[in-house]
Amino acid sequence: EQLQESGPRLVKPSETLSLVCSVSGGTVNSYYWSWLRQPPGKGLEWIGYFYNSGNSRYSTNYNSSLKSRVTISVDPSKNEFSLRLTSVTAADTAVYYCARDLSFGGGERWFDPWGQGTQVTVSS
Amino acid sequence: EVVLTQSPATLAVSPGESVTLSCRASQPVSSDLAWYQQRPGQAPRLLIIAASTTAATVPARFRGSGSGTDFTLTINGLQSEDFALYFCQQYNKGPRTFGQGTKVEIK
Repeated sequence: EQLQESGPRLVKPSETLSLVCSVSGGTVNSYYWSWLRQPPGKGLEWIGYFYNSGNSRYSTNYNSSLKSRVTISVDPSKNEFSLRLTSVTAADTAVYYCARDLSFGGGERWFDPWGQGTQVTVSS
Repeated sequence: EVVLTQSPATLAVSPGESVTLSCRASQPVSSDLAWYQQRPGQAPRLLIIAASTTAATVPARFRGSGSGTDFTLTINGLQSEDFALYFCQQYNKGPRTFGQGTKVEIK
């Protein structure tokens, strides 16, 4: 499987950050799928995941630190999923990654594989 | 949340040498720890899961150990492709968290 992030590299403060992760070699209807980010000089931060919960329905789970501003959605027809982060500030400047999440109903796990990441800068 | 502290931040070594990287958790995480490698400009690569289980296609020179709060990643006989950033991740307690990484560079 391969993952590739895409989207605007520059976002203005207070606007919405939108990224897309395209998946090849696998299907978004299997496994969990996550977004993560790494601000400059800091460690990685898990943003949230989604998974196919059956009957064409998808469930999501978000990091509580970002929950009020984050939405992860999926387009199975394109085999891709998206991240929306609203009301961004300079603190949201980071390299954003998508990854297959090996979590399952029994617990959260690790991430493999990852996309290469995309740098997003929040600035006017 | 669980804070992971990696040390040292940077390690300068010569090819062929062995290195040991440390990852310490602020509270016990059992053996629920993974290690990743990230070369410049590349995607992070999974190396180790469950503290000591090597992921598929990862060379045997990579070895993980530890449990509870103290973990190590040992690389025996460093090769040119091993000079990279290494970071740990715990998945015992939500939210999952990561260390800030150790950069292994050429001396």
